[in-house]
Amino acid sequence: DSGVTQTPKHLITATGQRVTLRCSPRSGDLSVYWYQQSLDQGLQFLIQYYNGEERAKGNILERFSAQQFPDLHSELNLSSLELGDSALYFCASSLAGGPTGELFFGEGSRLTVL
Amino acid sequence: QQPVQSPQAVILREGEDAVINCSSSKALYSVHWYRQKHGEAPVFLMILLKGGEQKGHDKISASFNEKKQQSSLYLTASQLSYSGTYFCGTEIGGSQGNLIFGKGTKLSVKP
Repeated sequence: DSGVTQTPKHLITATGQRVTLRCSPRSGDLSVYWYQQSLDQGLQFLIQYYNGEERAKGNILERFSAQQFPDLHSELNLSSLELGDSALYFCASSLAGGPTGELFFGEGSRLTVL
Repeated sequence: QQPVQSPQAVILREGEDAVINCSSSKALYSVHWYRQKHGEAPVFLMILLKGGEQKGHDKISASFNEKKQQSSLYLTASQLSYSGTYFCGTEIGGSQGNLIFGKGTKLSVKP
């Protein structure tokens, strides 16, 4: 158990819909990272927050947005869903503002868009 | 900017050795290695910082050649528990917070 909690574990929805994925980092960790994992692309970095502020942005679509709240939990919002958005979405946390240390990954949220 | 890993897949017998390579077209600040078993989350193995520092984890070690912008993961005397997909993650110098992973190398260890 990494200490990172992600909900929901599984989610099935239809194209055009909107979903919210939630992540609670390990106690004391200030950074939250979001990654998308699909079969052929490995782990794609989406976005990172550090202590409530956006720190780094990767290949995150405009239909996706994220935020980190004062209690440090984070939410990833995916809207106007397409079939290609079906993937495993991982949240990871770390203590520091940069990946100079270990990232602790949650178990992921599997999104299926039908 | 995504690092390139090779090979894409490798099959070993228990006790055999393997090397997984990771290379980048950009100057690297650090290289991170993670292992993901089927149906599980990635788990941290080690970090290598620029300066040629080499770190180990049991019978798994790694090297980082910053001049060549490459890292290699060495698995010695492989065990069944080594099976999984290995990802290298690279932090481009000056882009703190942006850890980019390669597509992974699938390692299967057979008895």
